[in-house]
Amino acid sequence: DAGVIQSPRHEVTEMGQEVTLRCKPISGHDYLFWYRQTMMRGLELLIYFNNNVPIDDSGMPEDRFSAKMPNASFSTLKIQPSEPRDSAVYFCASSYKRGNQPQHFGDGTRLSIL
Amino acid sequence: KNEVEQSPQNLTAQEGEFITINCSYSVGISALHWLQQHPGGGIVSLFMLSSGKKKHGRLIATINIQEKHSSLHITASHPRDSAVYICAVPLQGAQKLVFGQGTRLTINP
Repeated sequence: DAGVIQSPRHEVTEMGQEVTLRCKPISGHDYLFWYRQTMMRGLELLIYFNNNVPIDDSGMPEDRFSAKMPNASFSTLKIQPSEPRDSAVYFCASSYKRGNQPQHFGDGTRLSIL
Repeated sequence: KNEVEQSPQNLTAQEGEFITINCSYSVGISALHWLQQHPGGGIVSLFMLSSGKKKHGRLIATINIQEKHSSLHITASHPRDSAVYICAVPLQGAQKLVFGQGTRLTINP
C-alpha cells in the first residue's frame, strides 16, 4: 500500500502565480480531504470529496481556491492568484466510508508564497 | 469557544515519565481521533475510538462519551515520542473533522 501521495513536497513561488497541488489517494478509498495547517489556525478542513463529488467546500477561504477530483485516483487544489497569506502546509487525506474509519494523510506540501 | 479543546498546549517531561494529554469536546460525536505529527511534519492516525479504551504498545486512549472527554496516555515515555498530538472529532453525522489546537510533547533523555 503506497499511502497517500502528494506533490510537490515543497513549492516556493511569487505572489500572483498560479499554484497547483496534487494528491493521489489510497486505492479503494472513497473519501478525499484537503487540509491546510498554519501556526495561527492549526489544521483546517478546506474541502472534501465522496466518490469524486465535492461534498463540503465551506472551508475554502475564497474564490482564489478551487479543487477538483476528475477520477478516483487524483485530485488537485489550485490557488490562483496566490498571495503570501496562502503560505502553509497543505495536507491531503483519504479514507473508506464504511463506518468510522481513520483518515490516512499524505506527507503534505509546504507552500511558500513570496 | 472552540469545539475541541486540548490541554496542555505544551508538555515537557523526562524519559520514562507517564504522560497524559486531555481533549474535551462540545459536540455530539460518533468517534474521536487521536493523531500524531512528528517534527518532520507527517501526520499519522493513532486511534479512533467511540467508547472505552484502546491500547497500542505504550499508548492508551480512553474516552468518556457522557463527559465528552478523552485522554491519551503514554507509558514509559521515550524521546522518540516527542511530537505534536492532535485530537479531532467529526461533526455529527459527517466526515468533516474538527481539530484541537494540538499538544506539543517533548521528552528529554
